[in-house]
Amino acid sequence: DTGVSQDPRHKITKRGQNVTFRCDPISEHNRLYWYRQTLGQGPEFLTYFQNEAQLEKSRLLSDRFSAERPKGSFSTLEIQRTEQGDSAMYLCASSTHLAGANVLTFGAGSRLTVL
Amino acid sequence: KNQVEQSPQSLIILEGKNCTLQCNYTVSPFSNLRWYKQDTGRGPVSLTIMTFSENTKSNGRYTATLDADTKQSSLHITASQLSDSASYICVVSRTGNQFYFGTGTSLTVIP
Repeated sequence: DTGVSQDPRHKITKRGQNVTFRCDPISEHNRLYWYRQTLGQGPEFLTYFQNEAQLEKSRLLSDRFSAERPKGSFSTLEIQRTEQGDSAMYLCASSTHLAGANVLTFGAGSRLTVL
Repeated sequence: KNQVEQSPQSLIILEGKNCTLQCNYTVSPFSNLRWYKQDTGRGPVSLTIMTFSENTKSNGRYTATLDADTKQSSLHITASQLSDSASYICVVSRTGNQFYFGTGTSLTVIP
């Protein structure tokens, strides 16, 4: 297993365009998280899946954002009608509950630049 | 309110020197605490994880401590190297699979 994979690593788009990011978690992890991180700040929670069920969504996740995890494996995060304020690093993490110690493993992130 | 606070916000040290980063939290009930290193433009990478019963854990030149009574953790870096320049993020996990992030300490090691 190669850890959490994210694709693409970098995306530059024009304002108003749609973008989609993909995350492949560690195979035995049933929990998957999306975070957004802007320069100089810590990651901000966006949404969380347990298997294919989206159990929690942050108020940061406006109606232009949608996340899916259709088969409980990989996940996609789509941003419609992008705005310059969407420019950020989008981090995916996965976890599993092992012996009472939650383990959160991050991917390398997908950096979005909206022009 | 469940919060994680880190200090200092930024730190500049000379190569070869030691430094200590602090993390205070109010998260309850506590499950574990992790220190992550995040290089610029990369995802966070785990350095150490500490559970309630652990006081000290080392990973090479990194040593983390945890005082569960005072809800404080520290990350000590020994003999710093230029490659240690990064942001260090403290993440506290609450039982029930909730994670709380500090805003990080930006460390710059200069030659």
